[in-house]
Amino acid sequence: GESVGLHLPTLSVQEGDNSIINCAYSNSASDYFIWYKQESGKGPQFIIDIRSNMDKRQGQRVTVLLNKTVKHLSLQIAATQPGDSAVYFCAETRPQGAQKLVFGQGTRLTINP
Amino acid sequence: ETGVTQSPTHLIKTRGQQVTLRCSSQSGHNTVSWYQQALGQGPQFIFQYYREEENGRGNFPPRFSGLQFPNYSSELNVNALELDDSALYLCASSPTGVVGANVLTFGAGSRLTVL
Repeated sequence: GESVGLHLPTLSVQEGDNSIINCAYSNSASDYFIWYKQESGKGPQFIIDIRSNMDKRQGQRVTVLLNKTVKHLSLQIAATQPGDSAVYFCAETRPQGAQKLVFGQGTRLTINP
Repeated sequence: ETGVTQSPTHLIKTRGQQVTLRCSSQSGHNTVSWYQQALGQGPQFIFQYYREEENGRGNFPPRFSGLQFPNYSSELNVNALELDDSALYLCASSPTGVVGANVLTFGAGSRLTVL
């Protein structure tokens, strides 16, 4: 497959370890945040979302934390697996543009066996 | 249920040429958005189409234009191509009336290279 990006921040973790991917967002008016996973040759795939009235949300093996004070978002992946290798993007949106996403730069996650 | 399909998957153009990219939305989705993803960057919103009309636009010049057809499929047209237009162009569809970007379904993209 083709490479999604060549100069992204990278994170390498051992298989089975937990991963934490961080993201700083820009607009204090944003009220809805989403994490996407993008594998090589594919479009972004929804992972988990969180609204600004929450500070934590859990899914299957994933947790998103939101700190509105410092405009920071994080994605925690428990017990990472080889299939978790991908580029991860955070995205923000505002009430009026619920379907207009503003994406961050992305982080490439590599899982070492 | 089919997802979002885009064509072509790859194409090469030269500066000054024009290009048309196509997108078929997911079944049941009537809103289509286009994003540009440069290498090493996150996707950037170009515009959105709903009921065959542009419904929101990002910071892109007028030489980026689009269409939506009665069957909800869409085209992205770029005129007077520049080298910086080289990117992956992503189409995303969503059902109307549902709030929240988690309903966006992305296609695999069309990779445009401008020489």
